Amino acid sequence: EIVLTQSPATLSLSPGERATLSCRTSQSVSTYLAWYQQKPGQAPRLLIYDASNRASGIPARFSGSGSGTDFTLTISSLEPEDFAVYYCQQRSNWPPYTFGQGTKLEIK
Amino acid sequence: QVQLQESGPGLVKPSGTLSLTCAVSGGSISSSNWWTWIRQPPGKGLEWIGEIFHSGSTKYNPSLKSRVTISVDKSKNQFSLNLTSVTAADTAAYYCARFLYRLTTTPVAFDIWGQGTMVTVSS
Repeated sequence: EIVLTQSPATLSLSPGERATLSCRTSQSVSTYLAWYQQKPGQAPRLLIYDASNRASGIPARFSGSGSGTDFTLTISSLEPEDFAVYYCQQRSNWPPYTFGQGTKLEIK
Repeated sequence: QVQLQESGPGLVKPSGTLSLTCAVSGGSISSSNWWTWIRQPPGKGLEWIGEIFHSGSTKYNPSLKSRVTISVDKSKNQFSLNLTSVTAADTAAYYCARFLYRLTTTPVAFDIWGQGTMVTVSS
């Protein structure tokens, strides 16, 4: 099973700042990595798939990069609605699909 | 637009069976996508439980495989989850989700999710 490790666990920033979230995998997943956003009481929402492709309707301030074992989700300028928990997920080696433990992005 | 809706009991007794159904609306369950169950214990991360194709083919998380059955009912456009011998550790929000495939064979990600249903295991 591929283990995904996200860092930091919590990121405290202000609106307008740039956010950089990291996801590291225990073995190479090529570019088969997705990112999701989850707000309290809601289901996760797909943001990025295949490391760098924005899902339908996702604003351009969200971008993804990386390959192999190291990946980054960047939010170029934080909006108030971006404060949430973010998860990465791999589809390279399954079953099972696996998720990271999440990064909580909170308002500073 | 495809939508998913989970339903089932919110409380299950220890050693009992957790049974949930996911109704698919706005599209056919017989598309080229896989249909998935994912759970999230309170305050914790996401765990993939398993998935099913409309043909009935299934894949399960090895950690749960001995207790999980996922089935599909094409006539009702829905799929279901059965989890047996439940304990308090199975208390979680359970989500159904679509794993999108493009052009039939190109996997993408979990692009559509139900709102989730909380299941508590307690006597």
